[in-house]
Amino acid sequence: DAGVTQSPTHLIKTRGQQVTLRCSPKSGHDTVSWYQQALGQGPQFIFQYYEEEERQRGNFPDRFSGHQFPNYSSELNVNALLLGDSALYLCASTPRGTDTQYFGPGTRLTVL
Amino acid sequence: DAKTTQPTSMDCAEGRAANLPCNHSTISGNEYVYWYRQIHSQGPQYIIHGLKNNETNEMASLIITEDRKSSTLILPHATLRDTAVYYCIVRALHAGGTSYGKLTFGQGTILTVHP
Repeated sequence: DAGVTQSPTHLIKTRGQQVTLRCSPKSGHDTVSWYQQALGQGPQFIFQYYEEEERQRGNFPDRFSGHQFPNYSSELNVNALLLGDSALYLCASTPRGTDTQYFGPGTRLTVL
Repeated sequence: DAKTTQPTSMDCAEGRAANLPCNHSTISGNEYVYWYRQIHSQGPQYIIHGLKNNETNEMASLIITEDRKSSTLILPHATLRDTAVYYCIVRALHAGGTSYGKLTFGQGTILTVHP
């Protein structure tokens, strides 16, 4: 059984572009959370999706948006990329009926 | 959200127990203590969590003081592969708690296991 998977592994974009990151939760997981981790810092919560709705949001601008699909997979979209958006983007999924989050390997985004 | 305080770094000899402390003096009654670790450039790995009783699993033990204001994560026989950043997180598990849903990571403790 595969764990939480994310794609792509690495991505390079230029300022002003838009990016879409993808997350596939582990089988039996229905909640997906997204985090941003800048170099040398702990992960910062972006938002959480449950039943295809954004349930909770952290302190991130509207440039950051997301979506959850009926199969529980999720996308993170970032518009108008800034240099400061360079980071490791982590997806975490939660088993149905529990509250523990399990993380994927992350997507390393570099904005030039 | 309840804040946590952890030492910046700790060292441990391979084969010895690693005891990682965490202070969470403002913890609320509905908040659990979670521990994750992150090996360089990988996603955080869940270790263990607890409310007020001591917990043990195949990875570690979690000791929570009776007043719940602090806790200790114990890796009973540390190996070189346990070298990582360890995060102590306080989090509500019920809707209505301000930390419900999200995990709030601090700087964590850098644990280095030496041969």
